[in-house]
Amino acid sequence: AIRMTQSPSSFSASTGDRVTITCRASQGINSYLAWYQQKPGKAPNLLIYAASTLQSGVPSRFSGSGSGTDFTLTISCLQSEDFATYYCQQYYSYPVTFGQGTKVEIK
Amino acid sequence: QVQLVESGGGVVQPGRSLRLSCAASGFTFRTYAMHWVRQAPGKGLEWVAVISYDGSNKYYADSVKGRFTISRDNSKNTIYLHMNSLRAEDTAVYYCARVQEYQLLYDSFDYWGQGTLVTVSS
Repeated sequence: AIRMTQSPSSFSASTGDRVTITCRASQGINSYLAWYQQKPGKAPNLLIYAASTLQSGVPSRFSGSGSGTDFTLTISCLQSEDFATYYCQQYYSYPVTFGQGTKVEIK
Repeated sequence: QVQLVESGGGVVQPGRSLRLSCAASGFTFRTYAMHWVRQAPGKGLEWVAVISYDGSNKYYADSVKGRFTISRDNSKNTIYLHMNSLRAEDTAVYYCARVQEYQLLYDSFDYWGQGTLVTVSS
C-alpha cells in the first residue's frame, strides 16, 4: 500500500496567516491526490483534486500543488472557518490511502 | 441535490455481524462507483472498500478483507456493507462516499454521507 505522510501533524496559526501543509507519498502517484477538510462531528469536505484543481464552491484562498511524491496545500489567508483537520488522499492505486491528518488550531 | 444517507449502525458484540446501508438520491446512482470510509473515535480517516458503478469490481482494505463485503442494488439506489466477525477495532463512524466522475474507479470523493456509528463491544 502507498503510505501518505503529512507534516506537520498539528500547528497553531492566527487569522490572516498563510499556512502550508505538506503530503509525501511513499511512491509516485502522478497527480492522483486530493485534499479534504474535516470539522468535528462532520463528514470530510473535498477541497482540491488532481493535486491542484479547486473543487467547485471552495474559496480561492485554498490552493494545491505538486506531482509525483510531494504535494502541498496552501491557505493564503487563514479565516476563522478554516480551523479544522486536513487530510491528503491518494487515489492512484488500491487500497486508497489517507494521510494521518493535520490539525490547524487557533493561536 | 446529491444526498447520501447511511443507516444500520449500532452496538454489536465481538464476533457478530452487522449490515450498513447507504441510500443515495439526486444523481444517476447506477453510473457512479461508491466507497465506504471509516473513522475510529479521535482518529483519522481509513478507507474500507469500493464498488464500481456496475458492481463488477470491488476492492477492500487489508484490515477488512475476508470479513466485510460491499454490494449494491442499483434498482434501490443503495450500497451495503456486510460486516462479519466484528472486532473492537472496527468501532468507528462509517461514511459512504461517491466518486466525482461517473464510471471512474480511480477518483476523489465529492459527496459524503453524515456517517453511522458502529460500536463493537461486549
